[in-house]
Amino acid sequence: KNQVEQSPQSLIILEGKNCTLQCNYTVSPFSNLRWYKQDTGRGPVSLTIMTFSENTKSNGRYTATLDADTKQSSLHITASQLSDSASYICVVSARGNNRLAFGKGNQVVVIP
Amino acid sequence: DGGITQSPKYLFRKEGQNVTLSCEQNLNHDAMYWYRQDPGQGLRLIYYSQIVNDFQKGDIAEGYSVSREKKESFPLTVTSAQKNPTAFYLCASKQASGENTGELFFGEGSRLTVL
Repeated sequence: KNQVEQSPQSLIILEGKNCTLQCNYTVSPFSNLRWYKQDTGRGPVSLTIMTFSENTKSNGRYTATLDADTKQSSLHITASQLSDSASYICVVSARGNNRLAFGKGNQVVVIP
Repeated sequence: DGGITQSPKYLFRKEGQNVTLSCEQNLNHDAMYWYRQDPGQGLRLIYYSQIVNDFQKGDIAEGYSVSREKKESFPLTVTSAQKNPTAFYLCASKQASGENTGELFFGEGSRLTVL
């Protein structure tokens, strides 16, 4: 069973609208969680990192939240732009372990 | 500019042939990784190296080989033993940190197609 589950698998949104992506994980003991953005045919790029003590963090129009008790994170995209069309990957690190657990990604398509 | 360079971007290979994907980084990172990405699946770890002249198998190492003779370079060879090699391959590097908080820096990927 995958240790990181993302939903929805894909979504289409109108330019200018907001959307929220979900990431649920079972990785334990938890160290940190990163959201990456991957444009089609490119390598992923980190958007934000959440550590155990952080609840929310923003990077421009991207806002990530973390609830370490329920083991859930979300990524909120505000006022979407066409360039936001990409796959958003949730990656979770365990404490004391070099391995990373990857979600399958949320595929976002922004249409004009 | 600092970063990771993968080559070639696109590669076609006949069945039974070995092929080597190049990965070079000038970020002075200790750790380097190779991942495979298939449609609808998360990234899967093939091999990783945390120091020169040392590397470990990941979750799907069968049919692949690597070397780490220099800190900057971590080439991946896809051998004829790999049953389903057509995929998008991503190389990444990271500076080691105590709590594993370091950001993974990815290359632009190499798309391998077996004909």
